[in-house]
Amino acid sequence: QKEVEQNSGPLSVPEGAIASLNCTYSDRGSQSFFWYRQYSGKSPELIMFIYSNGDKEDGRFTAQLNKASQYVSLLIRDSQPSDSATYLCAVNVQGAQKLVFGQGTRLTINP
Amino acid sequence: DTAVSQTPKYLVTQMGNDKSIKCEQNLGHDTMYWYKQDSKKFLKIMFSYNNKELIINETVPNRFSPKSPDKAHLNLHINSLELGDSAVYFCASSQEYLALKNEQYFGPGTRLTVT
Repeated sequence: QKEVEQNSGPLSVPEGAIASLNCTYSDRGSQSFFWYRQYSGKSPELIMFIYSNGDKEDGRFTAQLNKASQYVSLLIRDSQPSDSATYLCAVNVQGAQKLVFGQGTRLTINP
Repeated sequence: DTAVSQTPKYLVTQMGNDKSIKCEQNLGHDTMYWYKQDSKKFLKIMFSYNNKELIINETVPNRFSPKSPDKAHLNLHINSLELGDSAVYFCASSQEYLALKNEQYFGPGTRLTVT
């Protein structure tokens, strides 16, 4: 089992809809979780982090964490074409203090 | 102001050559990292330094040698380059080591092509 798993997509969502990105992780001791956005040919850019169970909202983005299910998700409301990118889930591995990344989900917002 | 910078942005070289990539951060962060992103976009950590001290050394061939002259700089030297080394190499930094909120900020990347 991979340490961090994401559906590689591509995920296609119409403009204005909610895009839902999912991530599962294997290390039950993991404590903090990050979502990065990476445009083609660019570097990863941090958009959200979460370390408490529940929801965390920032503008159009909501991160959701369920530690019991070892599941973290990212919701993007009112999706825009500029949201089209690869979204990387990263988990801060307990004790090792390193980020382990999932393989990324490619999201396309269709006008 | 560029927070994390890398040079060069592109590097094309032949097999067997030795090359270096440089990274600098002006964020005042204590910890710096090297990542490799392969053609499938999978991003994997290679090394981590905290205040010039090597903290993480993943299973990386010893042809790769990082060096941190001070906590704002982390360089990567690669000996005897192989075709499989072709990838994008990202430098990153974070404010603290062993922090719950280990937010990492990435440089623009160096695309290495070995022919």
